[in-house]
Amino acid sequence: TAGITQAPTSQILAAGRSMTLRCTQDMRHNAMYWYRQDLGLGLRLIHYSNTAGTTGKGEVPDGYSVSRANTDDFPLTLASAVPSQTSVYFCASSDRRNTGELFFGEGSRLTVL
Amino acid sequence: QKEVEQNSGPLSVPEGAIASLNCTYSDRGSQSFFWYRQYSGKSPELIMSIYSNGDKEDGRFTAQLNKASQYVSLLIRDSQPSDSATYLCAVKVLGGSYIPTFGRGTSLIVHP
Repeated sequence: TAGITQAPTSQILAAGRSMTLRCTQDMRHNAMYWYRQDLGLGLRLIHYSNTAGTTGKGEVPDGYSVSRANTDDFPLTLASAVPSQTSVYFCASSDRRNTGELFFGEGSRLTVL
Repeated sequence: QKEVEQNSGPLSVPEGAIASLNCTYSDRGSQSFFWYRQYSGKSPELIMSIYSNGDKEDGRFTAQLNKASQYVSLLIRDSQPSDSATYLCAVKVLGGSYIPTFGRGTSLIVHP
């Protein structure tokens, strides 16, 4: 079973370039999330979507944008990458009835130079 | 101060011992509590959820919730080296965005 698929697995990006991290789920979950994880800071929520067509800002949304055109896909875009966006990015999803029980993708490691 | 606090560790226990991982939270409106396990270089995986005061057991894992004292703990009995990982506590507040807030995690090392 695929669950949640993230791409790319890792990427090195020059500062100022744009980048889209892709996330696709096949569980028909209503809610999807993007987190970044940095050493010593834990998981921090960037953006979320409770259902297709809606998005919301999390704890650290600046420099990132998302869209939710359909149930399955939730891409995260960095319009102009900066070195502080070097991190591991996790996409997650949950059923609307159990929004604390998250299923995570394998992560995307992004390095901005 | 983060809303969900965990000791970063590392917590080191010998194989076969009981590992006790603790988590405190600040919002008294918190209703749902979760423990995730994250192996190094991997993604978090839900291992326990608890919603009411008391203990909840699942195999070698026991989650304990005390809402009056605002803490939730995870006990791992007969710890194995394969339990070595970072354990993340997550708390969800009733209402609002319904999104759980994560602690920074406790690193557990089980040595043979």
